[in-house]
Formats: sequence, C-alpha cells, structure tokens
Amino acid sequence: DVKVTQSSRYLVKRTGEKVFLECVQDMDHENMFWYRQDPGLGLRLIYFSYDVKMKEKGDIPEGYSVSREKKERFSLILESASTNQTSMYLCASSSAGATHYEQYFGPGTRLTVT
Amino acid sequence: KNQVEQSPQSLIILEGKNCTLQCNYTVSPFSNLRWYKQDTGRGPVSLTIMTFSENTKSNGRYTATLDADTKQSSLHITASQLSDSASYICVVSSYNQGGKLIFGQGTELSVKP
Repeated sequence: DVKVTQSSRYLVKRTGEKVFLECVQDMDHENMFWYRQDPGLGLRLIYFSYDVKMKEKGDIPEGYSVSREKKERFSLILESASTNQTSMYLCASSSAGATHYEQYFGPGTRLTVT
Repeated sequence: KNQVEQSPQSLIILEGKNCTLQCNYTVSPFSNLRWYKQDTGRGPVSLTIMTFSENTKSNGRYTATLDADTKQSSLHITASQLSDSASYICVVSSYNQGGKLIFGQGTELSVKP
C-alpha cells in the first residue's frame, strides 16, 4: 500500500513563528504536492515538486516556501505564520509514470495559528 | 477557465437510503475524473476513476457515471451506511496540466440512523 505520512496531525503555533510541515512517502514517487483545505474553498495547491531540489508554485504560494532535498520527503515552510494560515494542510504524492495521475494523500495536519 | 462544480453542497439522508451526488466540469482537454471520499480529519481516498471512454465504474456500493459530452458525472451511493458520512470530492485532471488536479468543493454527506 502507498503510504504518505505527515509529521503532525495537529499543530498550534503563534503568529510570527516559523513553521515546518513534513511529508514523507514510501512509494518512490517523483511528484509531491502540498495543498491547503478550507471550508467552502476546497483543496488549493500551494506548491508541488517533480523531482529532488525542484519546486513549482501552485495557485496560492504566497507566504509559503518548500524544500525537497530527498525524493521521499517534501517540506512546507511558513516563514512567519499568520492567523490566515490556519487551515488543514494535505500532502500528496504521485508517480510520474502513472497514466492517470493518481495522487495519494496523507492524513493531513490541522494547523492553528493564534 | 478550468472548473469543477459539485451539487448539492451538503446532504442529509437516512441510513439505508440511496443518494446521488453531481459534478459538472469545464476542464479541457479532459484526461480523467475521480471521486474521492474524505472522512472528517483525514486525507481524501480515491473511490473511482474514469477516463473519457468509460461511462460507469463501480466500487462496492458506490457507482460513478460519466457523460463526457455534457461534461457531467454523478456518484450514486446505494443502501447508505453511517460510515458513508463524509465529504465526497470530484476531481478532474487535464492532459496539459502536468499531473495537477482540479478539485470541486465537495459534497458533505451525513447519514443519520
């Protein structure tokens, strides 16, 4: 089974703190994605990566950065957390060779910024 | 603009009843359409996937249909169970999006005893 794990299920941070969200996949997938999910807005793509050390902006990259130093690990960084970044964060991965672009999701991290 | 719209936004049904969720999309060129189930506090899990040439796909009590001409899909749930309570998300991918997915906002289904 494909497994995508995220470092924390719940996280509470203060405004201005630097926040790291970690994602690890065990299927040797080339592609990895970070989304945020908010009520009424659905899933929105923050950043994605097609390879190690490679990153592409998604639809809402402002206030975020990412790091992919190893193939299995994709980190989302909030340089200075703000209250409007309170959200559910979902990581996903997919194989570059997959014909249907199947994405496998992690369990999510519920981040609260106070 | 590539968009996916779902209806209804939320739905309450009694256990054992059937229900149908709708999805309309304007994504082009179309590659495939998926239905995901997302339990509260969990990541989405794929239920079905259909390509352009497929009209229907079943997964247990879940049956998805696709009309590529009208760009509509539906997810039918038969003999609902309490465990079906979840958000159901319609997701479309396009050949020119490089693996990126276009998500609907989801239908929140609540099955009551």
